[in-house]
Amino acid sequence: GENVEQHPSTLSVQEGDSAVIKCTYSDSASNYFPWYKQELGKRPQLIIDIRSNVGEKKDQRIAVTLNKTAKHFSLHITETQPEDSAVYFCAASVNSGGYQKVTFGTGTKLQVIP
Amino acid sequence: NAGVTQTPKFQVLKTGQSMTLQCAQDMNHNSMYWYRQDPGMGLRLIYYSASEGTTDKGEVPNGYNVSRLNKREFSLRLESAAPSQTSVYFCVTDRGPYYGYTFGSGTRLTVV
Repeated sequence: GENVEQHPSTLSVQEGDSAVIKCTYSDSASNYFPWYKQELGKRPQLIIDIRSNVGEKKDQRIAVTLNKTAKHFSLHITETQPEDSAVYFCAASVNSGGYQKVTFGTGTKLQVIP
Repeated sequence: NAGVTQTPKFQVLKTGQSMTLQCAQDMNHNSMYWYRQDPGMGLRLIYYSASEGTTDKGEVPNGYNVSRLNKREFSLRLESAAPSQTSVYFCVTDRGPYYGYTFGSGTRLTVV
């Protein structure tokens, strides 16, 4: 089955700096890669996603890149703010008979220091 | 428009007790899922339902059962709770492939 590895497990940055979280996946059939943000005590929420036919996608201060050949994808947050502090999860998804077979990474705890 | 509603939010059980976690979505989605979240282990799929009337096992189904009562409702039952089932449980739905998940607010379950 699919295996998703996520690094680093914790990340501290100064406010205004950039943060990068990296994930690798093993199943070349994975074709959709969402990222979720989970604030303390809250539910995960989708912040950005990318399909396998796209190499990069941006939404304001966040961007995701995908390298299908290397089976790598990364989340980039620029100009970090204290409200970016949360746990971020990457995921890799395969369309399996009408539903998504999703494998999550183990999460990165991002701390933005004011 | 509530999205995904889970009850209860918190529960403490004694070993061997049973309970049912309820989930309802008003998004008219076909697929629904139950995940558990444990520290350092990310989110793991317990059971899923690709459509009304169908259910299948996920990665960690042992000790659980599910019922897809109708298109809106998907319940998770613990027949005989064990301390290893202490976790946060999320009910999830999606519009289909290539769409992100919508999570319920979660149930924090402690088994003592």
